[in-house]
Amino acid sequence: EVQLLESGGGLVQPGGSLRLSCAAAGFSFSTYGMRWVRQAPGKGLEWVSAISDSGVTTYYADSVKGRFTVSRDNSKNTLHLQMNSLRAEDTAVYYCARGSKGSGWPDWGQGTLVTVSS
Amino acid sequence: EIVLTQSPGTLSLSPGERATLSCRASQSVSSSYLAWFQQKPGQAPRLLIYGASSRATGIPDRFSGGGSGTDFTLTISRLEPEDFAVYYCQQYGSSPYTFGQGTKLEIK
Repeated sequence: EVQLLESGGGLVQPGGSLRLSCAAAGFSFSTYGMRWVRQAPGKGLEWVSAISDSGVTTYYADSVKGRFTVSRDNSKNTLHLQMNSLRAEDTAVYYCARGSKGSGWPDWGQGTLVTVSS
Repeated sequence: EIVLTQSPGTLSLSPGERATLSCRASQSVSSSYLAWFQQKPGQAPRLLIYGASSRATGIPDRFSGGGSGTDFTLTISRLEPEDFAVYYCQQYGSSPYTFGQGTKLEIK
């Protein structure tokens, strides 16, 4: 059974930093691209970032480019999202998801809440 | 960036009725990399359909997807009480990956 467990969310002041993690289990982590998706309170889904299976290739939404950095540690089956220069509009539940073009994005974590407020 | 526009914003139907949800893309979605998700309050999204028309594992056959290019639909043939939720379409063929704004399916 695929398991994705996010952690690292919390309350942070505007301009601050936070590092999210996503621990993966139940599949060969190093062979899948991974994604981060967020959802602001009461709003829709917004894709944030993606990383290739090797970690060599990364992608970002314009809204976070230059502030967020995605990375992965395939030896520890863990995905990370380093978030710097946080803004109030970054407040959201952040989900990690496993995805592929062949099967879509079938597996999601339960999400971790990030609140940016003074 | 491919913009996905879903309609209607809210759909009010009764259990047993047929639901048809629409998703229109601002440009052609490559190789039909179009997915549909269901989301209930406090839960992560659940993949229903990928590749425009393939049902994900464990999804009942009352859910079906269709379309190609820029116009896609999700059909729920006979609504069950547990189907009332928010539905999102998504294109995952090219970055930036984008979601539609959602259609809320509510009980009439």
